[in-house]
Parts: sequence; C-alpha cells; structure tokens
Amino acid sequence: GAGVSQTPSNKVTEKGKYVELRCDPISGHTALYWYRQSLGQGPEFLIYFQGTGAADDSGLPNDRFFAVRPEGSVSTLKIQRTERGDSAVYLCASSSTAEYQETQYFGPGTRLLVL
Amino acid sequence: KNQVEQSPQSLIILEGKNCTLQCNYTVSPFSNLRWYKQDTGRGPVSLTIMTFSENTKSNGRYTATLDADTKQSSLHITASQLSDSASYICVVSVASGGYNKLIFGAGTRLAVHP
Repeated sequence: GAGVSQTPSNKVTEKGKYVELRCDPISGHTALYWYRQSLGQGPEFLIYFQGTGAADDSGLPNDRFFAVRPEGSVSTLKIQRTERGDSAVYLCASSSTAEYQETQYFGPGTRLLVL
Repeated sequence: KNQVEQSPQSLIILEGKNCTLQCNYTVSPFSNLRWYKQDTGRGPVSLTIMTFSENTKSNGRYTATLDADTKQSSLHITASQLSDSASYICVVSVASGGYNKLIFGAGTRLAVHP
C-alpha cells in the first residue's frame, strides 16, 4: 500500500503570509505526528494526534502554529504570519498505534522557504 | 533536558569498508532506542528498535548495540555500499503520556565513495 504522503513537496512564501501543509497518513494508522527539521539537524517534535484529537501539542513553537485532523485521517499543519525562521522541512509520520515499540513511518516532507 | 548526541558529525569511507557510528543520550524515562536512515530529500526510515533489555539487534548489514547502563548506542555498518550514503539518526523514545515521543539526534552524515 501507499506510504505517508505530503503536499506540497516544496512551498515558497513571503514573510507574513499564511501557509497550509497537508499530510496523508498510511490508511488505518490512528497515530499521526508532525516534526520540523532544520538544515543539518534531526527532526523536532511539534504535535501528536491520536484519532481526531491533538493528544500532545507541546512542541508547537507559538500560537502561529496550529494543526487539525478533523476526520482522524488527513492532517493539516497551518502556519500564520510566517517568519523567515519558519523555513525548514516539515515532516509527517504515522503509526498504526501509539504503543512504545511501534514504528513511525515518515513522509518525504514539505520544504518550506519563507522569503 | 532530554538530549541525544551523535558522533562523528560526518564520515567518509570507501566502498566495502566497515564503519561505526556513536550515540550518547540523556533521556528519561527511557522507552526504546531507534536508528533511522535518512536519504537526502527523503523522510527517515527505521532500521532498528531496541528496548533497554536488548544489547544488540541486526538488520542485514546494519548492527545496533545498546548499553543502557552507560546510555550509549552504536550502529555498525558492514561491507558498505554506495547506497549507504545517507544521514543516520539516533532516536530515543521517551515513555511519557502513553505514546512514543521521539527525541532525535542531529545525525551522522555518511558518504561512501567508490
């Protein structure tokens, strides 16, 4: 079956604009995670969904960042009033459950560049 | 503060040679340790997962070790191939809130040359 997909693959925007990044998890996976990866660094946790609810959003850097998963499948990460420091690769991952040894499967990421 | 540190930052080896990548962590409460491979422009792909009771785990030419007492792990790659060129990321899972909260290292960037 298909893996995790993310769209768009690349996004260039201007400072102050609003952007939406989409994640399609593996079908049937209840757990979904968003991460942000800066150049030369490992991914950093942003938010975790179990089903439709955000079970842990402690990694969101500020209130400009928001994510939804209204039907427990596709998720959208929304960034308001973008800043140059938001430029990074935004990765989405999903797992069939959230149990401790469950493998998280990552998408290819969305490369966001804020000019 | 939960941290995962990796060394070296980058490594160049010749095709066919072996190499070992290192990982030190200060993460609590520890759940498990994973090694991921990330090709340029792609998402990370899981190689191994080890709990604190496991000392070693292999996946083909990749062998991971874990010393939970010293909080160190290594990833050994045998008979390297050009396709092994990638970043290798050590990831520690925190047992918190009933789910896998992953703490990532910065990765070791491996280049295998012919």
